[in-house]
Amino acid sequence: SQTIHQWPATLVQPVGSPLSLECTVEGTSNPNLYWYRQAAGRGLQLLFYSVGIGQISSEVPQNLSASRPQDRQFILSSKKLLLSDSGFYLCAWSVLAEQYFGPGTRLTVT
Amino acid sequence: QQPVQSPQAVILREGEDAVINCSSSKALYSVHWYRQKHGEAPVFLMILLKGGEQKGHDKISASFNEKKQQSSLYLTASQLSYSGTYFCGTVTRLGRDDKIIFGKGTRLHILP
Repeated sequence: SQTIHQWPATLVQPVGSPLSLECTVEGTSNPNLYWYRQAAGRGLQLLFYSVGIGQISSEVPQNLSASRPQDRQFILSSKKLLLSDSGFYLCAWSVLAEQYFGPGTRLTVT
Repeated sequence: QQPVQSPQAVILREGEDAVINCSSSKALYSVHWYRQKHGEAPVFLMILLKGGEQKGHDKISASFNEKKQQSSLYLTASQLSYSGTYFCGTVTRLGRDDKIIFGKGTRLHILP
């Protein structure tokens, strides 16, 4: 069966510091991968999605970037965090239309 | 275009029924329903595909009216465990790069 991992589960970072969040998927090949952000009490904002290794589409221009170095690995990065980057970051994968979310990383920028 | 969900919030007593609606201004290929409990990731409930269909499991079911570009989620005889925020997501075309656009969510609170 398929499993999706995200780490870390929680993170507190100061403004201006770098960020690296990692997501890996097991049990499937060539999935579509997605990064979402959810501000407190808000909806799901799609940040990036990828249909294959090295292929990244950005939905919202900002100080974040994404990379997909391997088929089942998706990384979200930032060189300098802003206060507005705080939120719940969710990685998701899909194959044949159904999409499943990982457990998420709760990021607080102080 | 983000789908529109209604109502924004609903409070029910255990055992009552609820309907959550999702509508789009664009033609849809599929509608996806998720439930998110506080502090947790959204959990996939079901997907409805173009062609107009109904689906359900346990006491949760959904319909998809392709012509009206609408979907409804039905929760029958609600249980305390049904509390959470329900999101509908829509896909407008089938393709390798298809992506789900989510509505703002409907908060459902079940009282004992």
